[in-house]
Amino acid sequence: AQKITQTQPGMFVQEKEAVTLDCTYDTSDPSYGLFWYKQPSSGEMIFLIYQGSYDQQNATEGRYSLNFQKARKSANLVISASQLGDSAMYFCAMRDTSGGYNKLIFGAGTRLAVHP
Amino acid sequence: NAGVTQTPKFQVLKTGQSMTLQCAQDMNHEYMSWYRQDPGMGLRLIHYSVGAGITDQGEVPNGYNVSRSTTEDFPLRLLSAAPSQTSVYFCASRIAEGGNYGYTFGSGTRLTVV
Repeated sequence: AQKITQTQPGMFVQEKEAVTLDCTYDTSDPSYGLFWYKQPSSGEMIFLIYQGSYDQQNATEGRYSLNFQKARKSANLVISASQLGDSAMYFCAMRDTSGGYNKLIFGAGTRLAVHP
Repeated sequence: NAGVTQTPKFQVLKTGQSMTLQCAQDMNHEYMSWYRQDPGMGLRLIHYSVGAGITDQGEVPNGYNVSRSTTEDFPLRLLSAAPSQTSVYFCASRIAEGGNYGYTFGSGTRLTVV
């Protein structure tokens, strides 16, 4: 069965520093996609970044980059130059294609606190 | 575009009551899903739909019903509310193919069952 694991319940970082949020996954499907979402205290889910299993390069979106290590089945999110507004819950998710349909399965999340 | 609209934003139910959580999207997305979010457990899939008239169960479907009569709407029905259904519910949608397959989420419905 496909599974997402986020082992860090909470992290903190100093403002302007970089931080890495860990995500490992398990799948037997050769074609898959990995996502990161941000959930601020207001509750909405904000899409940050996507990595396809066949993508040759690591995905980047502004200050967000995805450290994709396929052999290790890890897809860590790197946030550079942290800002106070980055304090939020972060979820790693994987596209699940079992049954022929695309669904998202989520990890338990990591709560990031950015300190001034 | 309004994106994905969920109503209500907050609801309190008594045990045994029924209700429908509404979800509508105006992006002509084929795929729609309902998730529940509980502390320490991330989001878990309740039901999903790949188009009008087609629905299927997710990870935690018990106690919930769905139907998809139009592309735009995907309501979630609680048949007989239980305290274990106290949670935050998210509706999400995406196009069937193309792009980065990213889901667009609604703002959530916070449900309390007493």
